[in-house]
Amino acid sequence: SAVISQKPSRDICQRGTSLTIQCQVDSQVTMMFWYRQQPGQSLTLIATANQGSEATYESGFVIDKFPISRPNLTFSTLTVSNMSPEDSSIYLCSVVQSYEQYFGPGTRLTVT
Amino acid sequence: SQQGEEDPQALSIQEGENATMNCSYKTSINNLQWYRQNSGRGLVHLILIRSNEREKHSGRLRVTLDTSKKSSSLLITASRAADTASYFCATLRNSGNTPLVFGKGTRLSVIA
Repeated sequence: SAVISQKPSRDICQRGTSLTIQCQVDSQVTMMFWYRQQPGQSLTLIATANQGSEATYESGFVIDKFPISRPNLTFSTLTVSNMSPEDSSIYLCSVVQSYEQYFGPGTRLTVT
Repeated sequence: SQQGEEDPQALSIQEGENATMNCSYKTSINNLQWYRQNSGRGLVHLILIRSNEREKHSGRLRVTLDTSKKSSSLLITASRAADTASYFCATLRNSGNTPLVFGKGTRLSVIA
């Protein structure tokens, strides 16, 4: 099984600023996934991050707002740019290994 | 886009009763998973059922899968107040390295 860590675990940010969330996996994986969970809602996939290529974004999410880096097979970052209170959510990174999915502990973001 | 759809959206029962939640999905899958999330907490993986399985048990949990109807159910027997949480189904498609797609969830309240 994969063990995933995320930093920071939580943050409170001012609107208009940006926050970069880091995700580290203890094994090499081809794809990493970023999800968002807004308060009281389910998880929504933001994008798939492949090493060595641009991330693939789901409908409703754009690179300018959520730039993603994937410099190697164990690490990825998601930036939430020009934040507004609507971006207050839990952001989770995730990987799939052998058809089982593993989640990081999440980053709880509050935008004031 | 979200694939799984749970019903009911909310369920309130007395302690000791059984709780049944249903999930429907749209495309062929490799497996279907159920997660629990207590308010403000992270996801807890409950059970995974593969597409070639029809029923699975884990403690007080019973999951069924009907691939012909593209549906699954989660039964919690002899419910307890501690079972109060949101429950999500999530499906993993047959193609490799694809992420889980989550349903909107069922909010279960167990009243002591």
